[in-house]
Amino acid sequence: GQNIDQPTEMTATEGAIVQINCTYQTSGFNGLFWYQQHAGEAPTFLSYNVLDGLEEKGRFSSFLSRSKGYSYLLLKELQMKDSASYLCAVRNFNKFYFGSGTKLNVKP
Amino acid sequence: GAVVSQHPSWVICKSGTSVKIECRSLDFQATTMFWYRQFPKQSLMLMATSNEGSKATYEQGVEKDKFLINHASLTLSTLTVTSAHPEDSSFYICSASDRVNTGELFFGEGSRLTVL
Repeated sequence: GQNIDQPTEMTATEGAIVQINCTYQTSGFNGLFWYQQHAGEAPTFLSYNVLDGLEEKGRFSSFLSRSKGYSYLLLKELQMKDSASYLCAVRNFNKFYFGSGTKLNVKP
Repeated sequence: GAVVSQHPSWVICKSGTSVKIECRSLDFQATTMFWYRQFPKQSLMLMATSNEGSKATYEQGVEKDKFLINHASLTLSTLTVTSAHPEDSSFYICSASDRVNTGELFFGEGSRLTVL
């Protein structure tokens, strides 16, 4: 089976840094992905990790530890438009399994 | 990035009728497409993998006779919700990938189904 856990909701202030954690237990692993989803819209790709370590893309960074089954998404210099749900997904062969998503509320 | 288009965006139907949702890859060929459903405030649940030219593979608990999938060409997959009931009301999203290395998914716009 696949088990992917994320916090349900987080709140942060504009300009701050926030870390969204994801833990997973899956039968196979071919990469961990983070997606952003605004309400009523389709998810959009943010980042990808397949090896341990930190991947940085502008204001967004993602970290992976395969031995711990753990990843986090780091958002810097938060903007109001970053208010959205953030989905952690594990790729198992060619299939993607998603966590329940973390709703991030950014306040002025 | 690759473009995936889904149609219709919204559909309202009466209980007992069937609804077809189309998913197209616009600028690449997709031998495999994935269908997800999402209930309000919940994450994406993989329903089935659509394979071009062969039968779809369904996730455990998904009724294949209820959710008919056809992948007749390399750019089109369809999901038909047969004999829809109010509990089938959901957000259905298709996805595909043209990335050989990472396999990152690109999603269609989603189809919101409401069954009255």
